[in-house]
Amino acid sequence: EIVLTQSPGTLSLSPGERATLSCRASQSVSSSYLAWYQQKPGQAPRLLIYGASSRATGIPDRFSGSGSGTDFTLTISRLEPEDFAVYYCQQYGGSPPTFGGGTKVEIK
Amino acid sequence: QVQLQESGPGLVKPSQTLSLTCTVSGGSISSGGYYWTWIRQHPGKGLEWIGYIYYSGSTYFRPSLKSRVAMSVDTSKNQFSLKLSSVSAADTAVYYCAREGTAMTTPGAFDIWGQGTLVTVSS
Repeated sequence: EIVLTQSPGTLSLSPGERATLSCRASQSVSSSYLAWYQQKPGQAPRLLIYGASSRATGIPDRFSGSGSGTDFTLTISRLEPEDFAVYYCQQYGGSPPTFGGGTKVEIK
Repeated sequence: QVQLQESGPGLVKPSQTLSLTCTVSGGSISSGGYYWTWIRQHPGKGLEWIGYIYYSGSTYFRPSLKSRVAMSVDTSKNQFSLKLSSVSAADTAVYYCAREGTAMTTPGAFDIWGQGTLVTVSS
């Protein structure tokens, strides 16, 4: 199975700052099958990005995804208070689907 | 819009079978070509895909869980279900049902999730 490694584990930033989250795969992932999710405490994950760079319905344009092969990035251009959460990447280029361990974006 | 809701016992004894149902509202489970999925999250940990079922009944499970997992679908009730047998404390987790998008929507990504239900395995 494809292992996804997310870094950093925790990102401490202030509102208004830019967040850059990394997701590295143990083998190449088809860009069509790399997604990003946001999860807040006590809530289900919410799909942000699919196909590595396409925003899901209703997702603000401050969220953007990029990358290919084994290296993918989620960027939040200017952090809003509601963006402080845990973010997961997920691949379905190989079976079974797997998730990364998550990056927590916390208020500095 | 489509919504998912999990239901089932919150406490299961070791060696018994965990049974959960996901009710789909706001749309038909039989239309759209979606894969109906179960995902779990151990306390304080990351997400683990368990498997999916198609409205026709075809399934695919995580290899490490395959021997203990069963899924079924009831199109008349717009529900799909998960059974996990021979549970242990390691199966304690929040269980989510989710919809995997199609090639025309969000291929390979889970675009709709239930709120999740905590299942604790304990005697």
